[in-house]
Amino acid sequence: GENVEQHPSTLSVQEGDSAVIKCTYSDSASNYFPWYKQELGKRPQLIIDIRSNVGEKKDQRIAVTLNKTAKHFSLHITETQPEDSAVYFCAAKPINAGNMLTFGGGTRLMVKP
Amino acid sequence: DAGVIQSPRHEVTEMGQEVTLRCKPISGHNSLFWYRQTMMRGLELLIYFNNNVPIDDSGMPEDRFSAKMPNASFSTLKIQPSEPRDSAVYFCASSLRTGGSYGYTFGSGTRLTVV
Repeated sequence: GENVEQHPSTLSVQEGDSAVIKCTYSDSASNYFPWYKQELGKRPQLIIDIRSNVGEKKDQRIAVTLNKTAKHFSLHITETQPEDSAVYFCAAKPINAGNMLTFGGGTRLMVKP
Repeated sequence: DAGVIQSPRHEVTEMGQEVTLRCKPISGHNSLFWYRQTMMRGLELLIYFNNNVPIDDSGMPEDRFSAKMPNASFSTLKIQPSEPRDSAVYFCASSLRTGGSYGYTFGSGTRLTVV
């Protein structure tokens, strides 16, 4: 089955700096890669996703890049703000897995004012 | 749309008691997932339904756990008997493939404490 590894497990940045979270996946047939943000005590929420036929996608201060050859994808947050502090999860979906996602272990991002 | 609705939001029960968690997925979504979240193990998939049929229950920890989806708008996760190590936040999520995207919508979760 698919295996998704996420790094780092914790990340601390100064407000205004950029943050990068990286994930690798094992199944080359995976074709969908979403990112979720979970604030303390709340549900995970989808913030951005990318399909395997796209190399990069951007939405305001967040962007995701995908390298299919290397089987890794990354979340980039620019001009970080304290409200970006949360746990971020990456996920991957193999083409033959129906609607089932495999999640990474999560990254706790702390943005210091 | 009210989103994925879970009940109860919090549950405190004594060891050995039966616990039933409930989930109403988004109308029209054809997949439903139960996850358990703890600090130690992160997000664990317990079971996955597609069109009300269980597809993958390999994550269900043991026979004390069971899940049902009698129709497209309701699912339950039951723990009997409950144990302190079952204490966690249980999330239900639903999804529908649209335009190549399979994004989940999570419910607010049920925080279970077994004492």
